[in-house]
Amino acid sequence: QKEVEQNSGPLSVPEGAIASLNCTYSDRGSQSFFWYRQYSGKSPELIMFIYSNGDKEDGRFTAQLNKASQYVSLLIRDSQPSDSATYLCAVNAGGGADGLTFGKGTHLIIQP
Amino acid sequence: GAVVSQHPSRVICKSGTSVKIECRSLDFQATTMFWYRQFPKQSLMLMATSNEGSKATYEQGVEKDKFLINHASLTLSTLTVTSAHPEDSSFYICSSREGFGTDTQYFGPGTRLTVL
Repeated sequence: QKEVEQNSGPLSVPEGAIASLNCTYSDRGSQSFFWYRQYSGKSPELIMFIYSNGDKEDGRFTAQLNKASQYVSLLIRDSQPSDSATYLCAVNAGGGADGLTFGKGTHLIIQP
Repeated sequence: GAVVSQHPSRVICKSGTSVKIECRSLDFQATTMFWYRQFPKQSLMLMATSNEGSKATYEQGVEKDKFLINHASLTLSTLTVTSAHPEDSSFYICSSREGFGTDTQYFGPGTRLTVL
């Protein structure tokens, strides 16, 4: 059974600070890792994907992957109130044929 | 990224009726699309993988005779919830891969089904 674990939160962060979201996964064969943002009542929107160990930066977002520890994280710099949402971590085995296994998501609140 | 549309966005039906949800990949010919379901305050759960021109692959615990999937063209997959019951009320979301050889999936806006 593939599992993806996230702290459900809520995680409260002051505006302008760094928000750190964490995720662990059980399937050591996982190859592709994704962070999605989901606003209440809406479908998920892709924030970032990462395939290789290390850091990947895109604007205010940095994804970090450590396959040895089966751990992936998302950092949001200069947090804005509009970043308040549920952040979903998702993994799959790679190859494009598989669906995604999602964590339950972390509810992030950015305090103005 | 890939643009995916869904129709309808919201549907309310009586128990026992069937509901069809359409998922379209607008800018990419998708040989594979995915159907997910999300219950309130829960995460997305993969229901099935929709393959163009062949039978869908269902996840364990998902009844293939209840959730009929048809992927007759490269841009359209449909999910039919047959004989819907209140416990089928959920947020149904489809996704499409961005392209061949990539795992990145983009989601449609979702369909909220309420069965009375």
